[in-house]
This record gives sequence, structure tokens and C-alpha cells, in this order.
Amino acid sequence: SQQGEEDPQALSIQEGENATMNCSYKTSINNLQWYRQNSGRGLVHLILIRSNEREKHSGRLRVTLDTSKKSSSLLITASRAADTASYFCASGGGADGLTFGKGTHLIIQP
Amino acid sequence: DGGITQSPKYLFRKEGQNVTLSCEQNLNHDAMYWYRQDPGQGLRLIYYSQIVNDFQKGDIAEGYSVSREKKESFPLTVTSAQKNPTAFYLCASTSHSGANVLTFGAGSRLTVL
Repeated sequence: SQQGEEDPQALSIQEGENATMNCSYKTSINNLQWYRQNSGRGLVHLILIRSNEREKHSGRLRVTLDTSKKSSSLLITASRAADTASYFCASGGGADGLTFGKGTHLIIQP
Repeated sequence: DGGITQSPKYLFRKEGQNVTLSCEQNLNHDAMYWYRQDPGQGLRLIYYSQIVNDFQKGDIAEGYSVSREKKESFPLTVTSAQKNPTAFYLCASTSHSGANVLTFGAGSRLTVL
């Protein structure tokens, strides 16, 4: 079953703008992770935020976590054409690995 | 460089045939996973293995089989019993230490003709 749901399903913005995508999850978590997938490729881990953290930064990425609302957001600042990809949130961490949402497809218009 | 290698990248199969997708990792990871990805469906877990010679069914194991004879290798067989096998298959691995961050292969796209 899907643990997380990303919103929106698709997002198109101009290069240089900021992109925000959201994720909601259902059960309690130890951490929440974000992954990126270029078309026809495997997923690449971007950033992990632990359940006792509220915000985390990595380069142009900013992730927030609200455990009371069971939600997370990923912000990409100063977007570039190379940021065009699908972005997935994932949670779990037990023996059966991670459960992924359906993803947000981000298109950066030049 | 360490990583996960999936092969073949593209595979075409006639109905009724079994096919095996290869997944090899040189990361010394203990756990390995197979996911299936369909358009708009996200990733769904097929099988996973925490240790050599042991594996568990995931959410959609019907029509699939796996083996884990070596730590480095976790092949997936898509059998003729799988009703709708056309999909993108992703293999991933992680070490038992750490926060369960997955490393993925590049994927194998299977098309049934």
C-alpha cells in the first residue's frame, strides 16, 4: 500500500523560480526521505529528515517535516532545467524497506 | 565505483515466456529489494531479501520469483503467471546500519509483446 502521497502530481515552472512539492504519509515514521528520478532512470537519494527534525537544508534543497500533520515539503530554490525530474517521498525503514508515494513530476521551462 | 548493475536495460518477451532480470551490487549491502513501477502508480515492492538464502514477499509478489544465493546478487524472474508484466523494474539495496537509505540500479524495462 502507498504510504505517502505527493502533491501536486505535476508542476511546471520557469527556470529560476522556486519549486515546492508536498508529501503526506499515514503512519508514524523514524525518518522521511526524498528521492529524484530522471526519466527512464533509477531513483537517487536526495535528502533524509529524521522524525525529531523540523527542517533540513542541502544545497538548493530545503525539506520540512511536520509530524503532527504527517506531512513534509521539498523546496528547490533557483530551479534549473536540469532539475526536471520526478520527485518521490519515502518512509518506512523496517525490514521491508521503504514505501514510496506516486511522485511529483517537475518540469522546468527554460 | 560501487553501485548496482541491472541487466538487461530493455527486454521484450512473448506471452507465456519466463524472463529473468539480473541485479548485482558491489556495495557490500545486506538487504536487496525489487520494485515495480507503472505510470502514475509510483513504486510497489515485489520481493526483498535481508540476508543470503532468505527472502520475503512484498505487496505484489504473485507471478514473480527470486533467489539470493550470493550477497551480491538478487535476480528476479517474471513468470508466465504474471498477468500484466509490462513495467519498469527497479532493484535497490541498503546496508543494515544507517537509516535505510536505498541505492537504486538504473532499471530494466520489460515489454510483453
